[in-house]
Amino acid sequence: DTGVSQDPRHKITKRGQNVTFRCDPISEHNRLYWYRQTLGQGPEFLTYFQNEAQLEKSRLLSDRFSAERPKGSFSTLEIQRTEQGDSAMYLCASSSWTGGNTEAFFGQGTRLTVV
Amino acid sequence: EDQVTQSPEALRLQEGESSSLNCSYTVSGLRGLFWYRQDPGKGPEFLFTLYSAGEEKEKERLKATLTKKESFLHITAPKPEDSATYLCAASSRGNNRLAFGKGNQVVVIP
Repeated sequence: DTGVSQDPRHKITKRGQNVTFRCDPISEHNRLYWYRQTLGQGPEFLTYFQNEAQLEKSRLLSDRFSAERPKGSFSTLEIQRTEQGDSAMYLCASSSWTGGNTEAFFGQGTRLTVV
Repeated sequence: EDQVTQSPEALRLQEGESSSLNCSYTVSGLRGLFWYRQDPGKGPEFLFTLYSAGEEKEKERLKATLTKKESFLHITAPKPEDSATYLCAASSRGNNRLAFGKGNQVVVIP
């Protein structure tokens, strides 16, 4: 399968703990996005990378959140000192930026539950 | 700020009963309008991209159309396997993010 891969699929953590999620994009894609989705809502943009550079961050991304994409390949999203409000599906997507085509393909997501 | 509104929020259809889903968008210079399908507990699955008013795209029982203010997803003779949430998203020029609507939850009853 050459689609976007996310790990883990599910994560349950206690409030105050740190968690890290991984995303492996489609291999030839140079853009990688992180979105967050809560029940009954559409995905909300968090941040995106072009190659290894993080080019945009949403104001939703508080200083407890950090994302990296070393060497422009896989990406990690870390949440420090988790809060119950962080419970959501975290979605990763990738696209091949060609100056006009912005079709993004999503992974299956990581479901985070903070107890 | 880019805004996308979808209606109806939920729709129950009898198998074979055709219907349309609406997506209204407000963006500063549309770069692309996207439709995704999402099954419970899974990530969105890409369906279509539309770039300019008047454009139409089809895939099996689904047909997406675009005007300057709205997009429609027509479902012709739906089957139970078409049950899903359909997400609409817009991307504007100078903006690299997708703005999503809340989705249209479709249930097709056999």
